[in-house]
Amino acid sequence: DAGVTQSPTHLIKTRGQQVTLRCSPKSGHDTVSWYQQALGQGPQFIFQYYEEEERQRGNFPDRFSGHQFPNYSSELNVNALLLGDSALYLCASSELWGDDGEKLFFGSGTQLSVL
Amino acid sequence: GQQVMQIPQYQHVQEGEDFTTYCNSSTTLSNIQWYKQRPGGHPVFLIQLVKSGEVKKQKRLTFQFGEAKKNSSLHITATQTTDVGTYFCAGHMDSNYQLIWGAGTKLIIKP
Repeated sequence: DAGVTQSPTHLIKTRGQQVTLRCSPKSGHDTVSWYQQALGQGPQFIFQYYEEEERQRGNFPDRFSGHQFPNYSSELNVNALLLGDSALYLCASSELWGDDGEKLFFGSGTQLSVL
Repeated sequence: GQQVMQIPQYQHVQEGEDFTTYCNSSTTLSNIQWYKQRPGGHPVFLIQLVKSGEVKKQKRLTFQFGEAKKNSSLHITATQTTDVGTYFCAGHMDSNYQLIWGAGTKLIIKP
């Protein structure tokens, strides 16, 4: 039973570029949340997708957008990259109604460096 | 805005000593979750507390949820080197899918 998988694991971009990060949720999970974690800080909620729609959004600008596909996998897109976007981007899957309850299962993350 | 404050930021202990981290929310929480993140790793779910005054134990770990559902604590008895990492609390506000995270407490075992 595969857990949450994210790709790529590391990425280096320059300011102004665009990036797409990918996530496959744990088998049986239908909800995907994205988080940004700066070094030494807690995860910051970006948004959550359920049934292919953005269900809730945190305090992130419109440069951050996402998508969920019919197979529940998800993408996070960031446009016009800034130096401050450098962080670990974590994907977490969950299921509202099921044995796992509301607990989040995290992927290993994508480490994004913006130069 | 909604905040979850977590203290201390760091705690240095000798192996075998106890460790405690505390979380306080500015608003009432519908539930609180605890996660552990090892250095270089990702957060791993430990437990969820839902009821006012709830206490749960996992071996040497004791989790508490306050009566007002605004605070929580994690206590580790007789720390071991395998306990090293950062412990995060994260809470749901009512009718809100977003988890609000504390900044974490880093447990460091003194050599």
